[in-house]
Amino acid sequence: AQSVTQLGSHVSVSEGALVLLRCNYSSSVPPYLFWYVQYPNQGLQLLLKYTSAATLVKGINGFEAEFKKSETSFHLTKPSAHMSDAAEYFCAVSDTSGGNQFYFGTGTSLTVIP
Amino acid sequence: GAVVSQHPSWVICKSGTSVKIECRSLDFQATTMFWYRQFPKQSLMLMATSNEGSKATYEQGVEKDKFLINHASLTLSTLTVTSAHPEDSSFYICSASSLAEGQYFGPGTRLTVL
Repeated sequence: AQSVTQLGSHVSVSEGALVLLRCNYSSSVPPYLFWYVQYPNQGLQLLLKYTSAATLVKGINGFEAEFKKSETSFHLTKPSAHMSDAAEYFCAVSDTSGGNQFYFGTGTSLTVIP
Repeated sequence: GAVVSQHPSWVICKSGTSVKIECRSLDFQATTMFWYRQFPKQSLMLMATSNEGSKATYEQGVEKDKFLINHASLTLSTLTVTSAHPEDSSFYICSASSLAEGQYFGPGTRLTVL
């Protein structure tokens, strides 16, 4: 069985500050992990994914995430928040990169304060 | 990455009518398509999984006679909401996937039932 827990349904940061969105996973098999961003009334945009290669994954828009097996975590970070980063962020886990369903976390709403 | 389209992007219908939503993978053959439902400010909930040429597999609690899914080709899946009621109003998101290509999400369809 697989599941994802996102700690903090709402996160607020000042513009220019570090963004840290937390994601912990549970998986009985080696996981594939994903971060998606969703803007209001839009679909999901893939930020980055971990597919058992490098543990530090760099994505789009300056985001990156580090896979830590010992902590079963895949936290998303960005060194300096921008106003345009305000959105809903979802962490997801699967046992493949495609073909099988994704299990989504409950999401974290990021607010960027000017 | 691959492109998945959904049509329509939004639809308003009267209670009791049926609505069909199309999901197309534009540049790869999707052996599996998934249909998700998202309520406001909530995460995505998997409704059903469909493999080309097979009957869809529905998640527990999803009425298969109400949400008809057809996956007639490797590039097209349809979700028909039959006898829609206001409680069916939601954001419906599809994803198309294959082991070779990965999984890609459509932009979503906003359904409002009056």
